[in-house]
Amino acid sequence: QKEVEQDPGPLSVPEGAIVSLNCTYSNSAFQYFMWYRQYSRKGPELLMYTYSSGNKEDGRFTAQVDKSSKYISLFIRDSQPSDSATYLCAMSGQGKLIFGQGTTLQVKP
Amino acid sequence: DARVTQTPRHKVTEMGQEVTMRCQPILGHNTVFWYRQTMMQGLELLAYFRNRAPLDDSGMPKDRFSAEMPDATLATLKIQPSEPRDSAVYFCASGLHPNTEAFFGQGTRLTVV
Repeated sequence: QKEVEQDPGPLSVPEGAIVSLNCTYSNSAFQYFMWYRQYSRKGPELLMYTYSSGNKEDGRFTAQVDKSSKYISLFIRDSQPSDSATYLCAMSGQGKLIFGQGTTLQVKP
Repeated sequence: DARVTQTPRHKVTEMGQEVTMRCQPILGHNTVFWYRQTMMQGLELLAYFRNRAPLDDSGMPKDRFSAEMPDATLATLKIQPSEPRDSAVYFCASGLHPNTEAFFGQGTRLTVV
């Protein structure tokens, strides 16, 4: 079993929809939780960063962490075609950064 | 601008040949990661370094893979001998501190035939 589980999708939604992406994990040592976005043939880039449990909002993006359930989520409001990409959750405990498999999102105009 | 630089961007090689991938981390970053990305497995951590010291390389096949940091400006990942199952995109990433944002390079797309 992988330390971080993420449904690879693909996920297809119409423009303007609310998108919900999530990951589960098994390692209680994880304290730092991130979401990266990766466009085709590019390296991943950090989208959101949170420490421990709670919510964080940045524009149309909201990240949630529930450590008691070992579950993290990323919500995208008013999704745009430019949001079409692969979204990877990532977690870190003692400096070791582990990624989920990534969910491929397509937002159709 | 500050960015992680990986070379080569693409590599096609025959099975059994040695492959060396290079990474120049962002100046001042003390943490360097090597990842392998495939459709089936996603982004797998192969090894990571802090202050040039290897901290964990449990994700690497030890018999054929090796990772080093000869100095603070260069990290290398070697595969010897290469096999077709090693075909993947290999990413290097660096960070200013452990547990903070990791900045990724553009990757090396390796094809072993």
